[in-house]
Amino acid sequence: NAGVMQNPRHLVRRRGQEARLRCSPMKGHSHVYWYRQLPEEGLKFMVYLQKENIIDESGMPKERFSAEFPKEGPSILRIQQVVRGDSAAYFCASSPQRGGNEQFFGPGTRLTVL
Amino acid sequence: ILNVEQSPQSLHVQEGDSTNFTCSFPSSNFYALHWYRWETAKSPEALFVMTLNGDEKKKGRISATLNTKEGYSYLYIKGSQPEDSATYLCAFNNAGNMLTFGGGTRLMVKP
Repeated sequence: NAGVMQNPRHLVRRRGQEARLRCSPMKGHSHVYWYRQLPEEGLKFMVYLQKENIIDESGMPKERFSAEFPKEGPSILRIQQVVRGDSAAYFCASSPQRGGNEQFFGPGTRLTVL
Repeated sequence: ILNVEQSPQSLHVQEGDSTNFTCSFPSSNFYALHWYRWETAKSPEALFVMTLNGDEKKKGRISATLNTKEGYSYLYIKGSQPEDSATYLCAFNNAGNMLTFGGGTRLMVKP
């Protein structure tokens, strides 16, 4: 059973470009979470999604960031018009159901904005 | 804003030493406390999910305890080995969907 997959592992963008980060949850998992680790900081929650629904986006910046988890295919975290402050490691986790079950993490995507 | 604190921030021990570190979290609205082991350039690896006050869990040489009334959890490593070197994260779950992480304890075990 493959773990949580994220791609790309490294992404370089120039200011103003768009970044698309993909996350494929573990087989059988319908809950996806995105976390961000800014330089010198800990992991911070961004958004929680189930298939076709955003359940909690309280950690998402108000502008330029969006996330989706379509019926088919991976979850996508999209950052429009990237700025240098978006440079961070973005981690995706999945769980089979909500609540206290453990969340299984992917290896992360390291975004660098030039 | 939920406050999850871990101490110490970093720890250097000799191979064979036993060690422990602390995670403190809000004592209200508790649902679960998660421990993860995180090696550089890898995914955080789940160690324990603890839900009941007084819980003790063990995996090999690593064990953890939970006190939800006072809001703390201890992680113990018995007979540390160099391969235990990693950052150990705790995360608080208040029955929302998100995990609130502490800053981690970075453990370095010298051979």
